[in-house]
This record gives sequence, C-alpha cells and structure tokens, in this order.
Amino acid sequence: SQKIEQNSEALNIQEGKTATLTCNYTNYSPAYLQWYRQDPGRGPVFLLLIRENEKEKRKERLKVTFDTTLKQSLFHITASQPADSATYLCARGGDNAGNMLTFGGGTRLMVKP
Amino acid sequence: NAGVMQNPRHLVRRRGQEARLRCSPMKGHSHVYWYRQLPEEGLKFMVYLQKENIIDESGMPKERFSAEFPKEGPSILRIQQVVRGDSAAYFCASSPGQGLPEQYFGPGTRLTVT
Repeated sequence: SQKIEQNSEALNIQEGKTATLTCNYTNYSPAYLQWYRQDPGRGPVFLLLIRENEKEKRKERLKVTFDTTLKQSLFHITASQPADSATYLCARGGDNAGNMLTFGGGTRLMVKP
Repeated sequence: NAGVMQNPRHLVRRRGQEARLRCSPMKGHSHVYWYRQLPEEGLKFMVYLQKENIIDESGMPKERFSAEFPKEGPSILRIQQVVRGDSAAYFCASSPGQGLPEQYFGPGTRLTVT
C-alpha cells in the first residue's frame, strides 16, 4: 500500500524564520501531493497542490517542492508568524480514479514570537 | 460561496445506538469523500461517493457502516450499533471533479460513544 510519512515531532521555530516541513512517500510517485493546514478541533484547510511533473509551486509565503528521485516533498513557510502555528498535513492522491487522499500523520509547527 | 457543511458538530451516542452524520458539499461540487480521524491518528479515507452512487468504499469497515449521497439532500454516513472504538472525528470533503482534485473539508463531526 502507498504510505506517506511526516516527521511526527513538533517543529519549533522563531518568528521571521523559514519553516521547512518534510513529507516522504513510498513506492511509485503519486500523480500529485497536497498540503493542508489543520487547527485543533477544525477540519483541514487546503493550501497547495503540486503535480508529479512540477518541481516547485508557490503561493504567497508558501512554497512546495516535489522531488521524485528522493520521493519527497518539502513545504516551506517563509517569514513565519505565530499565526502559522498549526499542524500541517501532506497527502498523496491520484493513485486511483477516485482521487481519494492518503494522509501522513502531520507535523505540528510552533512559531514563537 | 458557503463551504462544506457538516452536522451535527458534536454527537454523543450510547453503545448500541445509531449515529447519522450529514454533509452538504460546496455548491457545484458533485464528489464527496468521508474520512475518519481517530484520536492521535491521521486522517483515513472511508468512502467516495458521487450523486446516487458509491464509487469506492474500500476504507469502510465491513459491518455497521454505510454511506449514501442521494439525488437531493446531503450525504449521510450512518453507523449502526455504535461501539466505543467508533469515537472519532468524521470529516467530509468535496471536490468539483473534472480534473480538479483539490478537496475541501468541512468542520467535522466529533462522535463520542459512551
């Protein structure tokens, strides 16, 4: 089965620094990877999607990369703010026609002022 | 444009009762997915539906769980004879399909079985 692995340890960084979160997958590359933000007691919020043939995608302070050789996606938040503190989820999709997502366990980010 | 709506937000059931969870997708979205998040675990896919059809239910437990998405009205996830292990957050997501795979999640229903 396809797996998605994220660092389960919390990432603590100082405000203003760049946060980098890692997502590793097994077996073949998915058609795309999606990144979500989840706050406690809330549903995941879609942030970015990157397709297998794209190396990098940007949206405001967010950047996602897709490395099919390393079987890895990196998620960057530049100029981080305390409001960015949340759990970030990586998910693979497109493994079948239904496009259901396989999620990693998430990485909790804490940005300290 | 209203987002994905789920109700109730919190549901308490005693063991053996039935739980009904409702999901209204975003306007214009015809694809609905249900996911379950157990305490301290990640989101797990349960079922994928389009209007009046179950497309993939490979993540659904074989017994007690069923889902539907009727022509009119919300999608329903039904859990019969609930057990304590069913306590979790249940999330619904919708997508427009048509080559647009982004999924938009509702706020979830937190089911507690006592």
